[in-house]
Amino acid sequence: DTGVSQNPRHKITKRGQNVTFRCDPISEHNRLYWYRQTLGQGPEFLTYFQNEAQLEKSRLLSDRFSAERPKGSFSTLEIQRTEQGDSAMYLCASLPRDVQETQYFGPGTRLLVL
Amino acid sequence: RKEVEQDPGPFNVPEGATVAFNCTYSNSASQSFFWYRQDCRKEPKLLMSVYSSGNEDGRFTAQLNRASQYISLLIRDSKLSDSATYLCVVNRYSGNTPLVFGKGTRLSVIA
Repeated sequence: DTGVSQNPRHKITKRGQNVTFRCDPISEHNRLYWYRQTLGQGPEFLTYFQNEAQLEKSRLLSDRFSAERPKGSFSTLEIQRTEQGDSAMYLCASLPRDVQETQYFGPGTRLLVL
Repeated sequence: RKEVEQDPGPFNVPEGATVAFNCTYSNSASQSFFWYRQDCRKEPKLLMSVYSSGNEDGRFTAQLNRASQYISLLIRDSKLSDSATYLCVVNRYSGNTPLVFGKGTRLSVIA
C-alpha cells in the first residue's frame, strides 16, 4: 500500500496518560499535516511540516501537544496528560512538492480517553 | 461566524433523485475549493475540486461563485453508494496552507 499510513488505528487510554501517534506519508511527499476531527465536526487543522520544519501550529495545539518530523519522513504526534476532551480522530495528510491542492489523508487514529 | 458553513442535513433522498448541497465561506482571500466525501468512521477523500467555470464529473457537478463566496455540489441520479457525509473545503491561500473544512452535510440515499 503506497498511501498515507497511521498507527495505531485505535487507542484507548486513561485520563492523564501520554499517547503517541505515528504518520507515514506517501513516499517523497515533503508536506505533512495533522488534523483533529471530533464527532459531528469537520477536520480541524493542528500543525504542518515542510520536510522536517514545523511551519505552522494551530491555536488548538495546546502545550500538551507536540509534533515532530525528525528526518522529514514520518511524523509523530504526542499528547501528554490526556484529557477526555482529547477524544477524537487524529488525521494525517500529505502533499507532494509540486502539487498545490489535493491533500491525501491517512485512515486516522481514533483516540478515546476514559 | 464559521469560516466554512454548510447545512448539516441529513438529506434523505430516494434512489435516482437529484440533490444539491450548498456551502458558504467567509475568507474572500481563499484560493482553492473542494468537495470531499467521508464515509462513516473513514478518512475524508477528495471528491472533486471546484473551479469558477464550474466542473462536472459524471453525475457530480460543482459550482463556485466567488462574488457570493458560495460553493455548490449537485448529485444527479443518486445511488445508494452515494450515502456519506460531504465536506465543503477551502484552502485559505495557495500552496502550503492547511485546508479549512465545513462540518459536512450528511446524505442518505434510500432504496
